[in-house]
This record gives sequence, structure tokens and C-alpha cells, in this order.
Amino acid sequence: KAGVTQTPRYLIKTRGQQVTLSCSPISGHRSVSWYQQTPGQGLQFLFEYFSETQRNKGNFPGRFSGRQFSNSRSEMNVSTLELGDSALYLCASSQGVTDTQYFGPGTRLTVL
Amino acid sequence: QKEVEQDPGPLSVPEGAIVSLNCTYSNSAFQYFMWYRQYSRKGPELLMYTYSSGNKEDGRFTAQVDKSSKYISLFIRDSQPSDSATYLCAMSGGSNYQLIWGAGTKLIIKP
Repeated sequence: KAGVTQTPRYLIKTRGQQVTLSCSPISGHRSVSWYQQTPGQGLQFLFEYFSETQRNKGNFPGRFSGRQFSNSRSEMNVSTLELGDSALYLCASSQGVTDTQYFGPGTRLTVL
Repeated sequence: QKEVEQDPGPLSVPEGAIVSLNCTYSNSAFQYFMWYRQYSRKGPELLMYTYSSGNKEDGRFTAQVDKSSKYISLFIRDSQPSDSATYLCAMSGGSNYQLIWGAGTKLIIKP
């Protein structure tokens, strides 16, 4: 079975721009979660989708948004980028919301 | 104070040593405890999963949970250079099933 894939792997943007990251879960998985990982902060939960519905949301500003499509693929969008948004963005999929999460390799976002 | 505390390291040990990695937490409702391993430029992968208190062993890895002390540990026996990675603890429980993560400990095994 193919693992979780994330595109693009690396991204460089400037302040004020917006960015869209994509995640394709493992086949059959209906839950997708997004995390932000920065040195010293660990993984910070952004949001979780299950069957196209946002089930849970972390403490991030409204500039961070996401969605899930009927095929379980998910996208997250960050608008009006700030320097502090530079991070590794990880997507994880699971069969159900309480099942083991499997992570993709992440998208490394650098904001200049 | 963070809900889950984990020393970021780095922790450097010689090959063959026993490694002890730890996390402390404050929420007594946590019942599910996990250890993930993350290699450079990769996403985290689940290493060990423990429910409630006690020990769990899998090959060279042993996970321990002490709920009375709110303390969990991961032991690696006969450590290998290939064990060099960042180890993250994660836990959940109570009314929220969402995982709460430690900051991760960077482990370096020197040949």
C-alpha cells in the first residue's frame, strides 16, 4: 500500500503571499490531520478532517485553513504568510479519528 | 507550562549503550501513550503504543508508563547508529482524543 504523500516537498515564499499544501492519505483512510512542526515546539495540531468535515481545530489563527475532498485528499492553505510560518507541515492519515496516524514526509515551508 | 514535557537533547551515546528517553505530563486523564521515531527529512513513524500503566516490549525497545508519577519512558537496548533520530512522545485521553505531543528528543548513537 502506498504511504501518505505530500506535495510539494519544499516551498519558498515571501511574506504576504499565500500557499496551498496537498496531502494524499493512504488508500482507505478517511481521517486526515495536519500539524506544524518547528524546532523546540514539537508538533502543533492544526486541524483534522473526517469525511470532508472538520472535526477538530487547533489554536491557530484564521489564516490557516483546510479542506478535504470526497476522495479523502486534503489541502491546507495559509494566507498572508508571516516569517513565523516557516516550518515543516506534516499530514497524517488514519482509518478513523481514534486510529493510529501514519505520517507523510512533510512539506518544508520557508517564508522570506 | 506545557502539558507534555520532553528534553530536546541532543542525547549522544556510544553504540551498544542502553538509551533512556523520557516524557512527563500533567493531565491525569491521559491513557494512551505513544512513541514515534522521526528520521531527518521524514515524517514521524509509530514505534510503540501503550494503554494505561505498565511495560511493553518489542525487540530492543521497551516502553514504560508510570501514571502515578505522570512519567513515561522508552528504553533502547544495544543501541545502533541506525537508531539515531528524533524520538517524540505523544499521548491522549479523557474527553479529547487528540494527541498531545512532546517536543522530541534528538538521539545520536556514535559508532
